[in-house]
Amino acid sequence: EAQVTQNPRYLITVTGKKLTVTCSQNMNHEYMSWYRQDPGLGLRQIYYSMNVEVTDKGDVPEGYKVSRKEKRNFPLILESPSPNQTSLYFCASARGTEAFFGQGTRLTVV
Amino acid sequence: SQQGEEDPQALSIQEGENATMNCSYKTSINNLQWYRQNSGRGLVHLILIRSNEREKHSGRLRVTLDTSKKSSSLLITASRAADTASYFCATVPLSAQKLVFGQGTRLTINP
Repeated sequence: EAQVTQNPRYLITVTGKKLTVTCSQNMNHEYMSWYRQDPGLGLRQIYYSMNVEVTDKGDVPEGYKVSRKEKRNFPLILESPSPNQTSLYFCASARGTEAFFGQGTRLTVV
Repeated sequence: SQQGEEDPQALSIQEGENATMNCSYKTSINNLQWYRQNSGRGLVHLILIRSNEREKHSGRLRVTLDTSKKSSSLLITASRAADTASYFCATVPLSAQKLVFGQGTRLTINP
């Protein structure tokens, strides 16, 4: 089954404790992206990747890092999480322009 | 920055009625897409309309695109309770290979 898998689905962490949210797709898509969704602000793009070893900043990249060492994986790294990064995060991969989304990771930073 | 702006922000109708949602955008686009999101879950692609198309149908969905007005509409006919969800338009600007989402319309279908 074609899918984008994020882990974990839920995470509560403390300020400053480094964390990684994993994202994996099994569709051999070149394009992958991370979004955060906040009430009243819609989905905002954090980072995206056009292919292996090619990553670019989206609209809200501050406080985040990504890597794309292999085509299927695109982890999101928060080196020092802060409460304003509490949000619902989505990973997506795309063939052409149709995007396939993961189920989301609800992150709470206290 | 958010390019798409959906209107209305929330819509509540009776089952069986038609639901219309609108989207406006700012820059020239390759295509426009509509996605659906059930509460707290991932977005699911519904339909894509290219910049040289004016109307497209898929089952109970009808999408229109007016590039002169930089606007699109999504019509869901004969709505069902299961259509309750948030609906987002997303554009692919000519200047960038990425999806830019609006803030969404929250649709509630009352049985």
